[in-house]
Amino acid sequence: SQTIHQWPATLVQPVGSPLSLECTVEGTSNPNLYWYRQAAGRGLQLLFYSVGIGQISSEVPQNLSASRPQDRQFILSSKKLLLSDSGFYLCAWAPDRIYEQYFGPGTRLTVT
Amino acid sequence: GIQVEQSPPDLILQEGANSTLRCNFSDSVNNLQWFHQNPWGQLINLFYIPSGTKQNGRLSATTVATERYSLLYISSSQTTDSGVYFCAVERNFNKFYFGSGTKLNVKP
Repeated sequence: SQTIHQWPATLVQPVGSPLSLECTVEGTSNPNLYWYRQAAGRGLQLLFYSVGIGQISSEVPQNLSASRPQDRQFILSSKKLLLSDSGFYLCAWAPDRIYEQYFGPGTRLTVT
Repeated sequence: GIQVEQSPPDLILQEGANSTLRCNFSDSVNNLQWFHQNPWGQLINLFYIPSGTKQNGRLSATTVATERYSLLYISSSQTTDSGVYFCAVERNFNKFYFGSGTKLNVKP
């Protein structure tokens, strides 16, 4: 069966520091991968998606970037965090050409 | 993008009651999913239902794509059903749009 992992679970970072969040999927190949952000008490906003290694599409211009160095690895990064980057970050995967998403446990990021 | 509206925004039920959650969307979509977000933030798949009706235990869902809405039915609610229910639609491959959710509180 497929599983999706995210780490860290929680993170507190000062403004201006770098960020790296990692997501990995097991038990499948060539998945579509997604990064979402959820502000407190609100719905999810799609940030990035990837259909293959090195293929990244950005949905929202912002202070963040994403990379997919391996088939089942998706990384969310920032060079300098802003206070507005605080939130709950969720990674998801979907089988290729079947757009049914499965979510990881998420990372709670607080920028201080 | 597509507008996704969920209603009601908040719902309080007594254990054992039934409820219907609604998701309206502003344009045609390829896919639709319902999720339950538990108090720890985990999003749990409930239904993948671009059209038609599906049932899973006490939960069922119906999507009428031509009329741009979906309904989630919860019967005999339990305290463990508490959390936020999200509807998400997909259009133009990989562009997913979420509603703002229905927050459900089931009281014992």
